[in-house]
Amino acid sequence: SYVLTQPPSVSVAPGQTARITCGGDNVGSKSVHWYQQKPGQAPVLVVYGDSDRPSGVPVRFSGSNSANTATLTISRVEAGDEADYYCQVWDSSSDHQAVFGGGTKLTVL
Amino acid sequence: EVQLLELGGGLVKPGGSLRLSCAASGLSLSDYSMSWVRQAPGKGLEWVSSIDSGSSHIFYAVSVKGRFTISRDNAKNSLYLHMDSLRAEDTAVYFCASSRRIYCSGTTCLPMEFDHWGQGTLVTFSS
Repeated sequence: SYVLTQPPSVSVAPGQTARITCGGDNVGSKSVHWYQQKPGQAPVLVVYGDSDRPSGVPVRFSGSNSANTATLTISRVEAGDEADYYCQVWDSSSDHQAVFGGGTKLTVL
Repeated sequence: EVQLLELGGGLVKPGGSLRLSCAASGLSLSDYSMSWVRQAPGKGLEWVSSIDSGSSHIFYAVSVKGRFTISRDNAKNSLYLHMDSLRAEDTAVYFCASSRRIYCSGTTCLPMEFDHWGQGTLVTFSS
């Protein structure tokens, strides 16, 4: 089965740039989506199709995807960005399965 | 405003059954593929199942295939998950999620991103 690997945690100071990676075999050939989840809340879509932002998501959130790594970049990090972030793809190599990465806890120092 | 409201969670015994529902408002469910995603306590997100707008394409995670059944009633703007042969490891918050965009390859159409989520309903086990 397809596996997406994320670092368990990333820490960044306010105003700095956070980069959260999502590794997978040839993930660059897939469409990667990113979700933000704050404690006790439902996930919220922040980037879809590798690099598009839903309406209402700040431009500080951006995404890229190439080769074996997709990256969510959060510029000018704010305290309110502290959350868990998950990447997600669809794997159609065998049976069709949606796959989530293990999640990354973003801590704003 | 799109709202998804999950109902039906509760306490179950191993081997038991439960039916979850998801009521949608602010959108016409017939325009969306729908999915269930779960999250065990303190753990990450796990996809469970997806169904396209016309119930023609249905997909299940390996961990639930043969035990769970996803269905929908577009006239009632509702999504369902019937869960049988429940196990302790099925303990989780179950979220329903919508997908407006789909990707089709050949005769198979998959939902793309999960664009709206409900707040979830908790399924737990009693011994």
